[in-house]
Amino acid sequence: DTGVSQDPRHKITKRGQNVTFRCDPISEHNRLYWYRQTLGQGPEFLTYFQNEAQLEKSRLLSDRFSAERPKGSFSTLEIQRTEQGDSAMYLCASSPWGSGRTNTEAFFGQGTRLTVV
Amino acid sequence: KQEVTQIPAALSVPEGENLVLNCSFTDSAIYNLQWFRQDPGKGLTSLLLIQSSQREQTSGRLNASLDKSSGRSTLYIAASQPGDSATYLCAVETSGSRLTFGEGTQLTVNP
Repeated sequence: DTGVSQDPRHKITKRGQNVTFRCDPISEHNRLYWYRQTLGQGPEFLTYFQNEAQLEKSRLLSDRFSAERPKGSFSTLEIQRTEQGDSAMYLCASSPWGSGRTNTEAFFGQGTRLTVV
Repeated sequence: KQEVTQIPAALSVPEGENLVLNCSFTDSAIYNLQWFRQDPGKGLTSLLLIQSSQREQTSGRLNASLDKSSGRSTLYIAASQPGDSATYLCAVETSGSRLTFGEGTQLTVNP
């Protein structure tokens, strides 16, 4: 396992279409995070999972966005009825977490660049 | 609400210079602080993580310090090289969950 993997790397879609991104975390990491980054800004938190449970969602995650992690391994992020404002880099990260852990270093994937035209 | 500020927004230095990047945060109740590097169009590469009980971490030419009570961290890069050119992001973890990022410092090291 060489790190967090995201697919696709780039996605161009027409406004109104649905898109789905996949993230494969580092295998022993039980936490998985989704962030969104627009040009010139730092990443903004969207949501995170501990195993298969989605524990927190940002207000940025409108009802057009849904994320799943069905078996506590890979995760998908779906955007329905895409808008031009959804154009951004979508980043996935994973980290170890659990009782007694002190090192919760987050590792990021290469991101999926979404362009809505 | 946690807010993270990075100064300067951009920095251009000649090769070989030592430099310091600054990060400040408003809520000192952090779990840890992490420095990342981001190359254009790429994801984030973790550089250093400092837990809230620590004051500094070192990796090669990089040294990061943390003063939790004053809400500040610095990233020191020794003997800078053109390959160090990238955007450097500081992020704090609050309550063991989400990371809150600054907007980054864009570093250019000129040969």
